[in-house]
Amino acid sequence: NAGVMQNPRHLVRRRGQEARLRCSPMKGHSHVYWYRQLPEEGLKFMVYLQKENIIDESGMPKERFSAEFPKEGPSILRIQQVVRGDSAAYFCASSQEQGISEQYFGPGTRLTVT
Amino acid sequence: SQQGEEDPQALSIQEGENATMNCSYKTSINNLQWYRQNSGRGLVHLILIRSNEREKHSGRLRVTLDTSKKSSSLLITASRAADTASYFCATDEWGAQKLVFGQGTRLTINP
Repeated sequence: NAGVMQNPRHLVRRRGQEARLRCSPMKGHSHVYWYRQLPEEGLKFMVYLQKENIIDESGMPKERFSAEFPKEGPSILRIQQVVRGDSAAYFCASSQEQGISEQYFGPGTRLTVT
Repeated sequence: SQQGEEDPQALSIQEGENATMNCSYKTSINNLQWYRQNSGRGLVHLILIRSNEREKHSGRLRVTLDTSKKSSSLLITASRAADTASYFCATDEWGAQKLVFGQGTRLTINP
């Protein structure tokens, strides 16, 4: 009965490198959400995906950030050419079906850009 | 302003006392949820209250929702040291799937 899984748990990248964050939703969940949390702040919505579709990306920065949720495999949040301001905790959540907004969160990936 | 503002920002009480945290929001919502986050960890879902509900209980937790005032409160009774964490309310607007979080209340339970 695994929950939402994220890997890696910690990721260190130098400025200009790429960061790939992975999220496997709970079994039976087909909706995935990505949130970002800066230190001492609440979570900020980034993107909402269903299998092979981006439903709402209103919280995604316009450049360098992309997300996907392929038919097979985990959801990926990709950050190209990372900058120090990208350092944050990135959380993935999943829910069972549309209209059921109880979201279950993974442990997060803590990205540090040096 | 940010939807889902918690009050107070920080709360420190003695073990055994009750802790009350408040949350205000600005738009019409479908439901409101409370989450707990231990330092450096992920979020744990505590309770969901729908917009047509006024009060909900779960163990030592009691949540109220007043849609006319656009506010909610989370009460933790008989607090324990293990309740030390940050608590966030999150709302979702009608027609939107994303959750909007407040800044959180940092609760410290002193033994």
